[in-house]
Amino acid sequence: AQTVTQSQPEMSVQEAETVTLSCTYDTSESDYYLFWYKQPPSRQMILVIRQEAYKQQNATENRFSVNFQKAAKSFSLKISDSQLGDAAMYFCAYRSARNTGTASKLTFGTGTRLQVTL
Amino acid sequence: GAVVSQHPSWVICKSGTSVKIECRSLDFQATTMFWYRQFPKQSLMLMATSNEGSKATYEQGVEKDKFLINHASLTLSTLTVTSAHPEDSSFYICSATGTGGVVQYFGPGTRLTVT
Repeated sequence: AQTVTQSQPEMSVQEAETVTLSCTYDTSESDYYLFWYKQPPSRQMILVIRQEAYKQQNATENRFSVNFQKAAKSFSLKISDSQLGDAAMYFCAYRSARNTGTASKLTFGTGTRLQVTL
Repeated sequence: GAVVSQHPSWVICKSGTSVKIECRSLDFQATTMFWYRQFPKQSLMLMATSNEGSKATYEQGVEKDKFLINHASLTLSTLTVTSAHPEDSSFYICSATGTGGVVQYFGPGTRLTVT
């Protein structure tokens, strides 16, 4: 079974600064997807960024980028130029690339609460 | 695009009664839908996966007779909590993927309070 570990329960960053959230995972599969989801106080889960394991290039979405290290099974999220609206719970998630049965389900980490200060 | 709605957003019911939560994909056909439960300050716990027209697959430890899931159409799935008890009080979230889709799109969640 796959596991996802987020070792930072809480992080804090000043507005306009950069912060990196850590995520490691364990799997025996070679093809899979990784995601970062954001859950603000409204509790609506919002996709931040996704990474396909077969792609060596790190995904980027505006101020959000990842550092995907497949051999180390590490998938960190970097938020640049942090804004007050970035304050939320961030969840790292793993999905198998298989589409059979319940393989399409997400395995979530325990989350990192990000505070953004002025 | 890829909007998922849930109804109701908040429901209070008495112990022993049943409550139904709806999850709809508004602008795509949801071949697979997922139901999660989330306790305060915790991660999402997958309850079940359902494919349109098929019986749901429940995660270990989830009572299928208590949490009835129906995915009768490509845009609607329902979760019915039967004979609800205070320990069933929680935040329930659904998500959906389209055909061949990889990304799960989440609904806004439903807060259930059982008194």
